[in-house]
Amino acid sequence: ETGVTQSPTHLIKTRGQQVTLRCSSQSGHNTVSWYQQALGQGPQFIFQYYREEENGRGNFPPRFSGLQFPNYSSELNVNALELDDSALYLCASSLDGLGSFSPLHFGNGTRLTVT
Amino acid sequence: RKEVEQDPGPFNVPEGATVAFNCTYSNSASQSFFWYRQDCRKEPKLLMSVYSSGNEDGRFTAQLNRASQYISLLIRDSKLSDSATYLCVVNGDDKAAGNKLTFGGGTRVLVKP
Repeated sequence: ETGVTQSPTHLIKTRGQQVTLRCSSQSGHNTVSWYQQALGQGPQFIFQYYREEENGRGNFPPRFSGLQFPNYSSELNVNALELDDSALYLCASSLDGLGSFSPLHFGNGTRLTVT
Repeated sequence: RKEVEQDPGPFNVPEGATVAFNCTYSNSASQSFFWYRQDCRKEPKLLMSVYSSGNEDGRFTAQLNRASQYISLLIRDSKLSDSATYLCVVNGDDKAAGNKLTFGGGTRVLVKP
């Protein structure tokens, strides 16, 4: 069984730039959720994708966008980076249908630093 | 009020002692509850699901109190390796947010010799 993998592991960007983070879900999982975790805080929900459609969004601005591909892998794109975007970005996969709440299985995360 | 609240700690625990801490949630319609463990600079890992009747997994016991809207985690016979941040996770009932699982801020536990 292949777990959740994220790339890159670390990234340094400059304010105003754009970034794309990638995630491969655990085999057999059809749902991918993205979370942002600032230092010393719990993960904050960004959005979730289920079968290539956005299935819910947290309180993040439109410059945070995403995609899910037919193989259930996913991308998180952030435009016009701000200093406060510096955080650990976590991707989690689960096997869900609409209305069910399976536990999340996380990747190792991408640590983004915006300077 | 935050959706999911936890005492950030740290809880300083002598090795071999018992420690317990709670997590309160605001959405009375929440159905799914989990405890995750997160080591420093690592990803969260599922520790256990929390069932209505309470459940136990080795030295770990989780309880759900729907009337007071909190879940608890108890760790018996604490080991040094139990030092971590424990994250409480609850599902929301916000249709706009889909199958959102909401995390608390975490409770830090430090087990000392």
